[in-house]
Amino acid sequence: GAVVSQHPSWVICKSGTSVKIECRSLDFQATTMFWYRQFPKQSLMLMATSNEGSKATYEQGVEKDKFLINHASLTLSTLTVTSAHPEDSSFYICSARGQVSYGYTFGSGTRLTVV
Amino acid sequence: RKEVEQDPGPFNVPEGATVAFNCTYSNSASQSFFWYRQDCRKEPKLLMSVYSSGNEDGRFTAQLNRASQYISLLIRDSKLSDSATYLCVVKFTGGGNKLTFGTGTQLKVEL
Repeated sequence: GAVVSQHPSWVICKSGTSVKIECRSLDFQATTMFWYRQFPKQSLMLMATSNEGSKATYEQGVEKDKFLINHASLTLSTLTVTSAHPEDSSFYICSARGQVSYGYTFGSGTRLTVV
Repeated sequence: RKEVEQDPGPFNVPEGATVAFNCTYSNSASQSFFWYRQDCRKEPKLLMSVYSSGNEDGRFTAQLNRASQYISLLIRDSKLSDSATYLCVVKFTGGGNKLTFGTGTQLKVEL
């Protein structure tokens, strides 16, 4: 079945630094990538949607200059949290959707802790 | 009002019990409905899609009531391994292909 590899699984960084999270579709072409954030005991909240080769569409309230999304190829999308602060500590999950299969395949998530 | 609402629980049930979760959604122009399961600190995994006529997969039965805008999930003969958070997920018409997640209902199955 479709697999999305997400790295790193967890990361601890200092306040003010940037962190890059990668999601790779291993056996299908991810035409669309969704990036979510989940705080403890809360729902997955969609941050942005990106289509390969296009600029990402951000949800209301999500700073596009802080959360940089790149989806330059059909198998790789990245989310960079710039100038991270402790309030950015969260569980970040990607979800990919292909052109052939219309299901949603989730990455395993990245737990970010900013200290 | 949240677009997708669920009782957060937790629901503590003994092994073998039958348990039901409900979910309501606010947008009547909703296209597709799903139940996902999420284990602690893991990604959500699709449990089943929900069809208008209702559908069953083993011990799991999902139902949709479009008139009342609610979705249900019934788990029969619950197992310890069913302990997880169950997420109600809706894809709204006109929302592109994005999914909207409920907060989830936590289930704890005990001996």
